[in-house]
Amino acid sequence: DAGITQSPRHKVTETGTPVTLRCHQTENHRYMYWYRQDPGHGLRLIHYSYGVKDTDKGEVSDGYSVSRSKTEDFLLTLESATSSQTSVYFCAIRGPRMDEKLFFGSGTQLSVL
Amino acid sequence: QKEVEQNSGPLSVPEGAIASLNCTYSDRVSQSFFWYRQYSGKSPELIMSIYSNGDKEDGRFTAQLNKASQYVSLLIRDSQPSDSATYLCAVTLSSGSARQLTFGSGTQLTVLP
Repeated sequence: DAGITQSPRHKVTETGTPVTLRCHQTENHRYMYWYRQDPGHGLRLIHYSYGVKDTDKGEVSDGYSVSRSKTEDFLLTLESATSSQTSVYFCAIRGPRMDEKLFFGSGTQLSVL
Repeated sequence: QKEVEQNSGPLSVPEGAIASLNCTYSDRVSQSFFWYRQYSGKSPELIMSIYSNGDKEDGRFTAQLNKASQYVSLLIRDSQPSDSATYLCAVTLSSGSARQLTFGSGTQLTVLP
């Protein structure tokens, strides 16, 4: 298995509270991604990073921010959680070559009540 | 029109049959194509990648790519109940960063014993 750890695995929070999800990798890969998965929508890209302090928005970035201060850690923050952000969140990593594959972490189930 | 489209299914096939999963994409310049398998409650795992027109075989799996028609398919021969899962098509689109993968919403496959 690719060395990706997501924490927490499950979280229940209330509307309006801040939430931070963590992705940690031991592969020293440059590219890291945050996706959310919802029924009927598949996996949708929230934000990604192509290096330390280098990040960019994905398809569904509104309401989310990210930070990457070290190669191994990529944090996803919901500044003020809403019920529409209830989802399963997956972190993924990828090597530098164009044809390299994406490897996923185990996911975080987030429920916003 | 979605950038990557799959029939959501569910698709049911009897054990031992060939399962055929299809995916179409909108970007004619796409370069890399992947099939991921996702068991219920688990993270996606890569099963096939294909980059050039034609067929690519790996055990019971065959990926087929036709860039002119903008489709990619996955055939599973001698289907087993353990193949029951959701299959996600993923494409690297030129509209985003070269490092972004865009996923279809997945096809749920059930192999009946």
